[in-house]
Amino acid sequence: QVQLQESGPGLVKPSQTLSLTCTVSGGSISSGDYYWSWIRQPPGKGLEWIGYIYYSGSTYYNPSLKSRVTISVDTSKNQFSLKLSSVTAADTAVYYCARVSMIVVENWFDPWGQGTLVTVSS
Amino acid sequence: SSELTQDPAVSVALGQTVRITCQGDSLRSYYASWYQQKPGQAPVLVIYGKNNRPSGIPDRFSGSSSGNTASLTITGAQAEDEADYYCNSRDSSGMGVVFGGGTKLTVL
Repeated sequence: QVQLQESGPGLVKPSQTLSLTCTVSGGSISSGDYYWSWIRQPPGKGLEWIGYIYYSGSTYYNPSLKSRVTISVDTSKNQFSLKLSSVTAADTAVYYCARVSMIVVENWFDPWGQGTLVTVSS
Repeated sequence: SSELTQDPAVSVALGQTVRITCQGDSLRSYYASWYQQKPGQAPVLVIYGKNNRPSGIPDRFSGSSSGNTASLTITGAQAEDEADYYCNSRDSSGMGVVFGGGTKLTVL
């Protein structure tokens, strides 16, 4: 059973870069059957998709965040990572990683990591 | 703003049937998936594709779609179904993904 676990600093200063890593266990990130994604949820608000990556390194980002986001993959470590630059308080959120299935006219996120709260504050 | 629209809140009496809807133009071309999120927990997939349930999801959860609207139906709602529910589908480009704003379900 595939499991995902987020890791990284829980506090980031304004204008700095937020960096998180998602470690995949119980399955290979290189299987080719799935994409790997980051989603975030500000306190008390809804889910916002950030972007996804394929094991080959191909990415697609939310247009509203594209200028600040970089998602990368390390197949040797079975991990993928998120970098979000120039953060502000509006980037304070629980950040989730998830596996994505994208098949013709369908897509779904399963499973999800437990999430990690990142607070942007000086 | 989200390209998928959900009612902010819905309530249902215990044991009754409730439908949670999600509207958006991309739903004319793509199926929605649905997620249940309880306080302090990560979202959990409950419906994907035309009407598929992951292992472990009770059969009282079902999905349907018509035109630009996708629906999640809970037949015989239980107290443990009280949660936030989010729909998800492709965006208008077909390459990206978007979530609905979420519906808070209260079981009375």
